[in-house]
Amino acid sequence: GQSLEQPSEVTAVEGAIVQINCTYQTSGFYGLSWYQQHDGGAPTFLSYNALDGLEETGRFSSFLSRSDSYGYLLLQELQMKDSASYFCAVSLIYGQNFVFGPGTRLSVLP
Amino acid sequence: EAQVTQNPRYLITVTGKKLTVTCSQNMNHEYMSWYRQDPGLGLRQIYYSMNVEVTDKGDVPEGYKVSRKEKRNFPLILESPSPNQTSLYFCASSQGQGGQPQHFGDGTRLSIL
Repeated sequence: GQSLEQPSEVTAVEGAIVQINCTYQTSGFYGLSWYQQHDGGAPTFLSYNALDGLEETGRFSSFLSRSDSYGYLLLQELQMKDSASYFCAVSLIYGQNFVFGPGTRLSVLP
Repeated sequence: EAQVTQNPRYLITVTGKKLTVTCSQNMNHEYMSWYRQDPGLGLRQIYYSMNVEVTDKGDVPEGYKVSRKEKRNFPLILESPSPNQTSLYFCASSQGQGGQPQHFGDGTRLSIL
């Protein structure tokens, strides 16, 4: 079977840095994506890693270690609008077959 | 405006009454998927399609059917809905496979009584 693990909740204050971890056990691996979802909204794409290392996109960075089956999303200079759920997702070797993690609810406090 | 459009947005129906949720994208994307989202379980892929007439099962295909007769449309069909299919459903499309961003529709909330 396929499984991804993420912390269920994370709380941080405005301006801080927070890291959301994701570990995975899947039958194949093509890459790791991250999505953000606000309450009542649709998921939106944040970042993608296919190779080991760090990818940076503005305040958000994502890291992957394929040997450890582990990745994380790093959010810097937190803002209130970053309060949302964050999902990691593995795309399996067949490309469009995705498995999502259960999600991490981030609360940013003033 | 680039978008993925799902209809209906909300539906309350009864067990066994066939229903179809439509999904249409205007970005000429090759890849489309259907997901269901349940509390604590994240999004689970139901079916995906890599092109016209090419579809494959995701993790939870039981009780669902799809078709891809045109590139822009990817309807989800519940032939005989049951209460355990009560959920929030999302359609998504992407230009390429793997790491290409998936663009999601606004979701369809289905309640099967």
